[in-house]
Amino acid sequence: AQSVTQPDIHITVSEGASLELRCNYSYGATPYLFWYVQSPGQGLQLLLKYFSGDTLVQGIKGFEAEFKRSQSSFNLRKPSVHWSDAAEYFCAVGFKAAGNKLTFGGGTRVLVKP
Amino acid sequence: NAGVTQTPKFRVLKTGQSMTLLCAQDMNHEYMYWYRQDPGMGLRLIHYSVGEGTTAKGEVPDGYNVSRLKKQNFLLGLESAAPSQTSVYFCASNFGGSSSSYNSPLHFGNGTRLTVT
Repeated sequence: AQSVTQPDIHITVSEGASLELRCNYSYGATPYLFWYVQSPGQGLQLLLKYFSGDTLVQGIKGFEAEFKRSQSSFNLRKPSVHWSDAAEYFCAVGFKAAGNKLTFGGGTRVLVKP
Repeated sequence: NAGVTQTPKFRVLKTGQSMTLLCAQDMNHEYMYWYRQDPGMGLRLIHYSVGEGTTAKGEVPDGYNVSRLKKQNFLLGLESAAPSQTSVYFCASNFGGSSSSYNSPLHFGNGTRLTVT
């Protein structure tokens, strides 16, 4: 079965600093990859997705992610963090063989210091 | 633009009680899902439906039942609640596996926080 690992449970970053969240998956086939963000008390909102093509994808709120097949990774980045980026971030992976079922990572909670 | 609406938002149950969570979507989505969210474990799929009248088991289906009598509604039932079912429950929907929208992004409700004492 596929699995998704987000190694960092918590990350604290200063406002204006750069942010990188790690995501690794395990499976042999080409995945569909997503990053979602969850603000407190809210559902999950899609930040960006990768299906095929250019391995560097741009999302909303200034986020981008890069798919690296050789490392089975899909890390999320933002050059300059804003206080409103404090939230929990989830990486999710799907595979054609699994239909539309996504497997989610455990999440990374981001705290932003003033 | 309601999107995905879950009711109720909060609920406290005693062990052994039953309840039903309601999910409604107004986007004409074919696929609907129920997830539970627990700290450090991300979201785990409980049951899902690929169309009206169909349901299927996900990763953690035990102790739950679902029904999809109408395309826009997906109900999650707990027949005899247990403390292990204390969690935040999310409903989600998407267009599903059509050729033009394979693995289309999920749209989530705002969740139901359930406590079983």
